[in-house]
Amino acid sequence: DAGVTQSPTHLIKTRGQQVTLRCSPKSGHDTVSWYQQALGQGPQFIFQYYEEEERQRGNFPDRFSGHQFPNYSSELNVNALLLGDSALYLCASRNRETLGYTFGSGTRLTVV
Amino acid sequence: AQSVTQPDIHITVSEGASLELRCNYSYGATPYLFWYVQSPGQGLQLLLKYFSGDTLVQGIKGFEAEFKRSQSSFNLRKPSVHWSDAAEYFCAVALFSGGYNKLIFGAGTRLAVHP
Repeated sequence: DAGVTQSPTHLIKTRGQQVTLRCSPKSGHDTVSWYQQALGQGPQFIFQYYEEEERQRGNFPDRFSGHQFPNYSSELNVNALLLGDSALYLCASRNRETLGYTFGSGTRLTVV
Repeated sequence: AQSVTQPDIHITVSEGASLELRCNYSYGATPYLFWYVQSPGQGLQLLLKYFSGDTLVQGIKGFEAEFKRSQSSFNLRKPSVHWSDAAEYFCAVALFSGGYNKLIFGAGTRLAVHP
């Protein structure tokens, strides 16, 4: 049973560029959340998607946007990248009926 | 505001010694609490969770945690640490809003294990 899959695993972008990160949830999971984990810190909640709609959002600017597709997969888009956006981006999925999240291995984004 | 505090940034123990990682939370309602472990460059793996019932919960890899409402704590323990336990450990609380929930994490405790 495949867990949560994220792609790419690493990427390097230049300040001002845009980036798209992708997430395929665990089989049977319909809710996807995204977290940003800066170096040496705990993960911070970005937003959550269910039924292709954003259901909750953390304290992140509008440069961070997302999408969920009918197959429950999700994308995280970040526009106008800043150096401070460098972090590990984690995707987590769960079944709407349960409370336990399964996390992917993350995408390491470096902005130079 | 809801928050999770992990007072110890770094902890070093000898292999075979016992371990306790501290976690304190601030949350108005009954908390749903989690411990996750993260190896370098990896995602988060769930060790255990507390939703209700018995305040001592057992998890994977020989870990356990005890929920103490009076102390707003959810400390993680292991009686005998193995070298492979070296990793970063995160405590988290689930916040609920309109039928949805999100996790609020502590800053983590990095565990080093000496042979």
